[in-house]
Amino acid sequence: EVQLVESGGGLVQPGRSLRLSCAASGFTFDDYAMHWVRQAPGKGLEWVSGISWNSGSIGYADSVKGRFTISRDNAKNSLYLQMNSLRAEDTALYYCAKDESSGLPMPRVLYYWGQGTLVTVSS
Amino acid sequence: AIQLTQSPSSLSASVGDRVTITCRASQGISSALAWYQQKPGKAPKLLIYDASSLESGVPSRFSGSGSGTDFTLTISSLQPEDFATYYCQQFNNYPPLTFGGGTKVEIK
Repeated sequence: EVQLVESGGGLVQPGRSLRLSCAASGFTFDDYAMHWVRQAPGKGLEWVSGISWNSGSIGYADSVKGRFTISRDNAKNSLYLQMNSLRAEDTALYYCAKDESSGLPMPRVLYYWGQGTLVTVSS
Repeated sequence: AIQLTQSPSSLSASVGDRVTITCRASQGISSALAWYQQKPGKAPKLLIYDASSLESGVPSRFSGSGSGTDFTLTISSLQPEDFATYYCQQFNNYPPLTFGGGTKVEIK
């Protein structure tokens, strides 16, 4: 059974940093691209970042480019999101999602999602 | 970036009704479109990929159609468990992946 378990969320002050993690199990992690998608309270879905199976292709939303860094450790079956210079508008539930493909040449659909970790940016 | 516009943003329908949701892309995306269902407090679930392919395990009352810029998600006979918000997502141009604004389906 595919499992994606996010962690690392919490309350953080504006301008500070936070690192999210996603522990994957139930599938061959290094065969698939992975993504972070967020959802602000009461709002729609916003793709944040994606990474191919071998970290050779990485993409970011304009809203987080230069502040967030996605990475993965295939040996640990884990996905990460380093979030720096956090802003109030980054407040959201952050989902880890498994792509249907390896992510090369491009990602495709988000085949399976975790339950999310909540990030609240507030003073 | 490609923009996806969903309509309507919400609708109310009765059990057994046929429901259609549209998703319009700001430029052509071939058939590179997926549909997701999100129930309150839950993660999204993939329903349709490649515009019209039904994901395994998804009831056959769900169907997708379209290509280029105009797409539809149809629920042929609405069931109580279909109360949810539905999102389209394109994967033709990357980055970014983009989602539509969502359509909330309420049961009358």
